[in-house]
Amino acid sequence: DIQMTQSPSSLSASVGDRVTITCRASQGISNSLAWYQQKPGQAPKLLLYAASRLESGVPSRFSGSGSGTDYTLSISSLQPEDIATYYCQHYYSTPLTFGGGTKVEIK
Amino acid sequence: QVHLVQSGAEVKKPGASVKVSCQASGYTFNSYYMHWVRQAPGQGLEWMGIINPSGGSTTYAQKFQGRVTMTRDTSTSTVYMELSSLRSEDTAVYYCAKGSISIYYMDVWGKGTTVTVSS
Repeated sequence: DIQMTQSPSSLSASVGDRVTITCRASQGISNSLAWYQQKPGQAPKLLLYAASRLESGVPSRFSGSGSGTDYTLSISSLQPEDIATYYCQHYYSTPLTFGGGTKVEIK
Repeated sequence: QVHLVQSGAEVKKPGASVKVSCQASGYTFNSYYMHWVRQAPGQGLEWMGIINPSGGSTTYAQKFQGRVTMTRDTSTSTVYMELSSLRSEDTAVYYCAKGSISIYYMDVWGKGTTVTVSS
């Protein structure tokens, strides 16, 4: 199984800050990576797929990059509504696996 | 638009089974796979498996092999996830999630069904 390791597990930043979350796969996954946002008490929501493609309707302040085993999710200017836990998920092969999550809070 | 409506919360005793439903609307049901993902209290997301509504074929995560069964009813655009031999560690929110055009990531999620296993 491919293991997905996210870091940090939590972060605190100010409104307007740039935020970066990393996700490392235990083997190369050829950009087969999605990012989800989960707000408290809600279901996850797809933000990006294929490592860098923005899902329709997602604000452009969200972006993704990476290749091979290392990927990042960036929020260019943190907004109060971005408070959530973010998960990466590979879809290179089954079983699909998720990272452990990164909880983003406002400082 | 796409909607996934899940069945209500369940409370089960250890050793029992639970069957959760997920009714889809707003798209061609047979054309997109459906995933099941669970989340234990305060924990992360765990993929359980996937079903192809068109033919009913399934792929399950090894962890759940032998205990999980995913089925579908094309006449009502509903998928089902049954988990047997429940134990306390199965207490979680269970989500159905529509597979994307690429199948293996999830572009629309249901609101989740809370399953509590307690004696």
